[in-house]
Amino acid sequence: GNSVTQMEGPVTLSEEAFLTINCTYTATGYPSLFWYVQYPGEGLQLLLKATKADDKGSNKGFEATYRKETTSFHLEKGSVQVSDSAVYFCALKLTGGGNKLTFGTGTQLKVEL
Amino acid sequence: DAGVTQSPTHLIKTRGQQVTLRCSPKSGHDTVSWYQQALGQGPQFIFQYYEEEERQRGNFPDRFSGHQFPNYSSELNVNALLLGDSALYLCASSLAGLGDYSNQPQHFGDGTRLSIL
Repeated sequence: GNSVTQMEGPVTLSEEAFLTINCTYTATGYPSLFWYVQYPGEGLQLLLKATKADDKGSNKGFEATYRKETTSFHLEKGSVQVSDSAVYFCALKLTGGGNKLTFGTGTQLKVEL
Repeated sequence: DAGVTQSPTHLIKTRGQQVTLRCSPKSGHDTVSWYQQALGQGPQFIFQYYEEEERQRGNFPDRFSGHQFPNYSSELNVNALLLGDSALYLCASSLAGLGDYSNQPQHFGDGTRLSIL
């Protein structure tokens, strides 16, 4: 079946540190890949996406590259801020699979001063 | 431009009861999907509605049902509530495109927190 595996959290970093959150996927077809962010008490916000192999999604200093050979979509940011503290979800959607998003379990990020 | 709105924000029920959750999609959107997010987990897809019909369904029992109205708003109904139904229920809307909507982003509401006692 289709699934997404994320590194377990929480990830605790100091402000201005480099961030990597690992995400790998298993899919029967050719998925589009997404990163969503969830702030406390809120719903999910789309952070970035990539729809085909070697695409790089980027937004607000975050970026992730769709690696078909390693079935990965790792999230990176060069310098995190306290305001980046949230839960990050990696997700996939199959081409021809309608609107269904398959999510990972989420990775909590805590950024400290 | 109003985003996705859900009501109520919090709800407490007891086992065996029935519940209805409501969702108004983002302006201009015509497709609504529902997700269940248990504590500490990622959201799980329940079903999707388009043109007032259920178009796609995840691995949830028939106790979970829904409806979409002509104004594109939607309801999620859960019958015979179980303790395990306690979760955050998220509604997401999007605009149906040609084909399989792969390039249409989904916008999420803030959810309804359902607690079963």
